[in-house]
Amino acid sequence: DGGITQSPKYLFRKEGQNVTLSCEQNLNHDAMYWYRQDPGQGLRLIYYSQIVNDFQKGDIAEGYSVSREKKESFPLTVTSAQKNPTAFYLCASSGRAKNIQYFGAGTRLSVL
Amino acid sequence: GEDVEQSLFLSVREGDSSVINCTYTDSSSTYLYWYKQEPGAGLQLLTYIFSNMDMKQDQRLTVLLNKKDKHLSLRIADTQTGDSAIYFCAEKADGGATNKLIFGTGTLLAVQP
Repeated sequence: DGGITQSPKYLFRKEGQNVTLSCEQNLNHDAMYWYRQDPGQGLRLIYYSQIVNDFQKGDIAEGYSVSREKKESFPLTVTSAQKNPTAFYLCASSGRAKNIQYFGAGTRLSVL
Repeated sequence: GEDVEQSLFLSVREGDSSVINCTYTDSSSTYLYWYKQEPGAGLQLLTYIFSNMDMKQDQRLTVLLNKKDKHLSLRIADTQTGDSAIYFCAEKADGGATNKLIFGTGTLLAVQP
């Protein structure tokens, strides 16, 4: 069935390590997004992509990187430069109709 | 700049109505949205309203939009314990020039049995 799949559900990062969070959608949406959610806070936009092979920084892009080589996939890499990576990461995608964003189930990243 | 504000917490008794409020800043917003987040899960779209509407009703949910005051509310009738969650309102950013949404901080709804 159609939707957005994020993996893994839980991820642990060692200090100095880069980790990659996966986001795949089969909704044929052009746009995809990555958000970070901290306890008691709203969603903050990390990166977004409106079309394949193109992406833009959001409000908190430092320490993160993305790629958009395929329409279905928008992986997020949390680099060692991100000093406080512990958070809940949400991926979303949207089509052209009303720009409704549909979300994956999230990945919880913790630091060992 | 663009900002969306919500109260942090609301507690109601089962069977009562809940009203969650939101204020936004971008008067050119075309669509406004309400999302629900259950613990440890992603966001689920509940409903949306187009800016030329004042009200939208969908079963137990009623959305009211006051464009003059830039105020949006979500009313849940006959609130159930399964409605306990965080509720986010969102508006389109950049006057709709991009697909970005601006989310509020979320309102935690606690339903007491």
